[in-house]
Amino acid sequence: EVQLLESGGDLVQPGGSLRLSCAASGFIFSSYAMSWVRQAPGKGLEWVSAISNTGEGTYYADSVKGRFTISRDDSKNTLYLQLNSLRAEDTAVYYCGKLLRYCRGGTCYSRVTDFWGQGTLVTVSS
Amino acid sequence: DIQMTQSPSSLSASVGDRVTITCRASQGISDYLAWYQQKPGKVPNLLIYAASTLQSGVPSRFSGSGSGTDFTLTISSLQPEDVATYYCQKYNNDPWTFGQGTKVEIK
Repeated sequence: EVQLLESGGDLVQPGGSLRLSCAASGFIFSSYAMSWVRQAPGKGLEWVSAISNTGEGTYYADSVKGRFTISRDDSKNTLYLQLNSLRAEDTAVYYCGKLLRYCRGGTCYSRVTDFWGQGTLVTVSS
Repeated sequence: DIQMTQSPSSLSASVGDRVTITCRASQGISDYLAWYQQKPGKVPNLLIYAASTLQSGVPSRFSGSGSGTDFTLTISSLQPEDVATYYCQKYNNDPWTFGQGTKVEIK
């Protein structure tokens, strides 16, 4: 059974930093791309970042580019998101996700989240 | 960046009704579109990817269609457990933007 367990969410002041972790189990972690999606209180989903299965490809939303860094440690089956220069608008529940791998026409894609963690709350406030 | 617009923002329908939600992309995205369901207080759940491919385990009353800029999610016979907010997401290239969501309630 696929399990994703986020941790690291906290109350932090504007301009502060935080590192989120996502411990994965139940699948071969090193074979799958992973992502982070966030949801501000009472709002919709916002895609934040993704990383390829090899770690060589990383992708970011414009709203976090240059401030957040995604990484992975396959020896620990863990995904990370480093959050720097935090702003009030970064307040949200952050979900870790496993990306579905599907292939067609000789090309494979890993961009759709098929399993989600329960989320960790980041609150940015003074 | 490509914007994703869902309509309606909310709807109320009776059990057994056919429900259709629309998602429009500001530019063509081929069929790189997914649909998610988020029940109140729960994490999102993947329903459909590649515009029309039903994710394993999802009831067959859910279906998706469309290509290019216009997409639809259809619930053929609305059930009480379908009360949720539904999101589309485009993923032809990054950013993999979500629509703003459509809230579905039972009348």
